[in-house]
Amino acid sequence: EVQLVETGGGLIQPGGSLRLSCAASGFTVSSTYMSWVRQAPGKGLEWVSVIHSGGSTFYADSVKGRFTFSRDNSKNTLYLQMNNLRLEDTAVYYCATCRGGYGYFDYWGQGTLITVSS
Amino acid sequence: DIVMTQSPDSLGVSLGERATINCKSSQSVLYNSNNKNYLAWYQQKPGQPPKLLIYWASTRESGVPDRFSGSGSGTDFTLTISSLQAEDVAVYYCHQYYTTPWTFGQGTKVEI
Repeated sequence: EVQLVETGGGLIQPGGSLRLSCAASGFTVSSTYMSWVRQAPGKGLEWVSVIHSGGSTFYADSVKGRFTFSRDNSKNTLYLQMNNLRLEDTAVYYCATCRGGYGYFDYWGQGTLITVSS
Repeated sequence: DIVMTQSPDSLGVSLGERATINCKSSQSVLYNSNNKNYLAWYQQKPGQPPKLLIYWASTRESGVPDRFSGSGSGTDFTLTISSLQAEDVAVYYCHQYYTTPWTFGQGTKVEI
């Protein structure tokens, strides 16, 4: 059974840094594309980043240069390093699998909430 | 970026009646080389992550009831719930994965 568990959320001041983790089970994270999708409180879904099976990464313009998506194959875990956080980064962050290397999301974690506030 | 626009923003439907949600993309999401529309639909209930309903515009995900169907091609797509059930109350999102940045519609809230 595929499971994704995100951790690392919390309250952080503007300009601060945080690292999210997504622990995967039931499959190998390096075998498929994986993404982060976020949802601001009461708002819609926003794609954040993707990591390809080969390790290439792509980002939304809103986070490019500030966020870094990586993975540890030995731990079957994904990471989102978030630097220089802004108020508008406040959201629930979900990790999700992209089936077959395409961009639709078939499995989602429960999400972790990041609140950026002074 | 491809802009996805859903209509309506909210929809009230009686139990057992049909619900129709539209999604329009600012450019075609049909990939000519494989004739596939890179369009998915998700259902999100309060406090839960989104759930994949439809991909390739019209392929129902395993386990999704057959009252959910997707149609359309190019830039215009529709999600239809043929006979609304109480458990279908949720927000529905369309999503293009034709090109990054992958983008979502703003969501359509379906109520009884």
